[in-house]
Amino acid sequence: KAGVTQTPRYLIKTRGQQVTLSCSPISGHRSVSWYQQTPGQGLQFLFEYFSETQRNKGNFPGRFSGRQFSNSRSEMNVSTLELGDSALYLCASSFGTASGNTIYFGEGSWLTVV
Amino acid sequence: DAKTTQPNSMESNEEEPVHLPCNHSTISGTDYIHWYRQLPSQGPEYVIHGLTSNVNNRMASLAIAEDRKSSTLILHRATLRDAAVYYCIRESNQGGKLIFGQGTELSVKP
Repeated sequence: KAGVTQTPRYLIKTRGQQVTLSCSPISGHRSVSWYQQTPGQGLQFLFEYFSETQRNKGNFPGRFSGRQFSNSRSEMNVSTLELGDSALYLCASSFGTASGNTIYFGEGSWLTVV
Repeated sequence: DAKTTQPNSMESNEEEPVHLPCNHSTISGTDYIHWYRQLPSQGPEYVIHGLTSNVNNRMASLAIAEDRKSSTLILHRATLRDAAVYYCIRESNQGGKLIFGQGTELSVKP
């Protein structure tokens, strides 16, 4: 079956702009979570959605937001981009019904802010 | 959220077993332990996960200490394709949140 799909794979934005990243989870998965990966900070949890509701949020500023649609697809948005937002943004999905579900990651979206 | 602790790097010879250790001394009773590996420019790949008992799958085995303060990922016969960064991760019971540590970079020598 198809894995977690993220689009776009690569993008370049200018400081101050905003960006929207998209994630299509594995069919049947209702939980979608987002992570930021940078060389300095490693992989950090952004937020997680289950059935269109944000269940948990990491320690990121309000410029980072997300949403989930009724078909479980998710988007994350970063407004007023800063140079430090350059990172690999990873989406992961799972059934989300309980702890211990297997969680699958997409290949990520590479964001460069110039 | 306390992160897990792993060695920064390890080396192995091809065809030999590899034991990757992880310390999670502050783990709560309901947090699962997950292992993922990541190649450069790719998303993390699921390896294995467990709660209390030892677990086996086609990729690896996971040995969890009885007190759950540590665990070991076992690759039974390392291949060159196993070279990657391996992450030992706590899954917080708050909605599937994975708490990553710094990972162990495994290199495999032919």
